Amino acid sequence: NAGVTQTPKFQVLKTGQSMTLQCAQDMNHEYMSWYRQDPGMGLRLIHYSVGAGITDQGEVPNGYNVSRSTTEDFPLRLLSAAPSQTSVYFCASSHPSGHYGYTFGSGTRLTVV
Amino acid sequence: GIQVEQSPPDLILQEGANSTLRCNFSDSVNNLQWFHQNPWGQLINLFYIPSGTKQNGRLSATTVATERYSLLYISSSQTTDSGVYFCAVISGGSNYKLTFGKGTLLTVNP
Repeated sequence: NAGVTQTPKFQVLKTGQSMTLQCAQDMNHEYMSWYRQDPGMGLRLIHYSVGAGITDQGEVPNGYNVSRSTTEDFPLRLLSAAPSQTSVYFCASSHPSGHYGYTFGSGTRLTVV
Repeated sequence: GIQVEQSPPDLILQEGANSTLRCNFSDSVNNLQWFHQNPWGQLINLFYIPSGTKQNGRLSATTVATERYSLLYISSSQTTDSGVYFCAVISGGSNYKLTFGKGTLLTVNP
C-alpha cells in the first residue's frame, strides 16, 4: 500500500516552460487535492477533485490546470512556468466522508528560474 | 472563511521536556488534523481529531469543538520531534478543503 505517490521529487524549470506534476493514490479515495507551500503562507489549496471527471478551483488556481480521468490519478499542469510558481507542491487524498482525514504525498520541490 | 491560529509560533525545548501546542479556529469544524512536517519536508498525519481525545505513544491530542480549540501534547520530547506542527481544519458543508494554520516550529535540542 503506497498511499499517495508524487513525482518528481525535485524539478528546475525555466520561465515559460510547461510541465506536469504527477500524483497517484491507491486507497480508492474519491477526494484529491493539490496544495502549494510557501514560506510564511502555509499551505494553500490550488485545485481539487471530488471524483473522476470533476474538478474545481481552490484559493490559488491561476497558472495551473488539472484533470481527473481516473480515481487514482490527479496530475497538476503548469502551462507556462513563472518564478512566482517556485514552491513545494503537495498532493493529498481523502475518503469523501472525511473520516480518517487527508493523506499527503511527499511533495515536489519546484524551482522556476 | 475559517481562520486557524496556532501558538506558539516557535518553541525550543531540551530533550525530555514536555510541551503543549494550541490551535484555535473561528468556526465549527467537520474535520481537524494535526500534522508533523519533518526537516525533510514530509507531512506526517499525527491525528484525525474533530472532537475528543486521542493518544499515540508520547503524543496526544484533545479537541474541544464547542470552544473551538485543539491541543497537541508532546511528552518526553526527542530530537526527532523537531519540525513544524500544523493544525488543519475542514469547515462548512463539504469535506474537500483543508485550511491550515501557519504552524509551530519546534526545535528539540539534545
